[in-house]
Amino acid sequence: NAGVMQNPRHLVRRRGQEARLRCSPMKGHSHVYWYRQLPEEGLKFMVYLQKENIIDESGMPKERFSAEFPKEGPSILRIQQVVRGDSAAYFCASSPGLADNEQFFGPGTRLTVL
Amino acid sequence: AQSVAQPEDQVNVAEGNPLTVKCTYSVSGNPYLFWYVQYPNRGLQFLLKYITGDNLVKGSYGFEAEFNKSQTSFHLKKPSALVSDSALYFCAVRDSPTGGGNKLTFGTGTQLKVEL
Repeated sequence: NAGVMQNPRHLVRRRGQEARLRCSPMKGHSHVYWYRQLPEEGLKFMVYLQKENIIDESGMPKERFSAEFPKEGPSILRIQQVVRGDSAAYFCASSPGLADNEQFFGPGTRLTVL
Repeated sequence: AQSVAQPEDQVNVAEGNPLTVKCTYSVSGNPYLFWYVQYPNRGLQFLLKYITGDNLVKGSYGFEAEFNKSQTSFHLKKPSALVSDSALYFCAVRDSPTGGGNKLTFGTGTQLKVEL
């Protein structure tokens, strides 16, 4: 049973470019979460999605960031016009959705903005 | 709002000795508490959780944690540390759900270093 898959594992972008991060949840999981880990910091919640719905985006920056989880295919976290401060590790997690279930994390995408 | 505090940035312990990594939390309702471990350049691995029931929770790799409601703590423990336990440990909390948000709030992490 494959775990949570994220790609790419490493992504380098120049300021002003777009970054697209992909996440495929574990089989049978319909709930996806995105977290960001800045250097020397803990993980911060960004967004929680179910298929075709954004449930909670309270941690998403108001501009340049968007997320989707389409009916078919992986969840996508999109960062437009990246800036150096966006450099971080972005982790995706998934769960079956039941309230007491733990979230299973992917290996992360490490974004570096030059 | 929910929050988690891990008061120690780093814990050093000798192999074979018991270890404790501290965590305190704040939630408005009943807490769901989790411990995760992160190895370098890897994602987080789930260790254990407290939802309800016995205050002492046993998890993976010999780890356990004790839920203390009066002290709002959920300290991670292991009776005998191994060098391979050296990693970054995160405590996380979510408020008991009333529908909707499932987000985890993480502490800042504690680096555990186990030495020979």
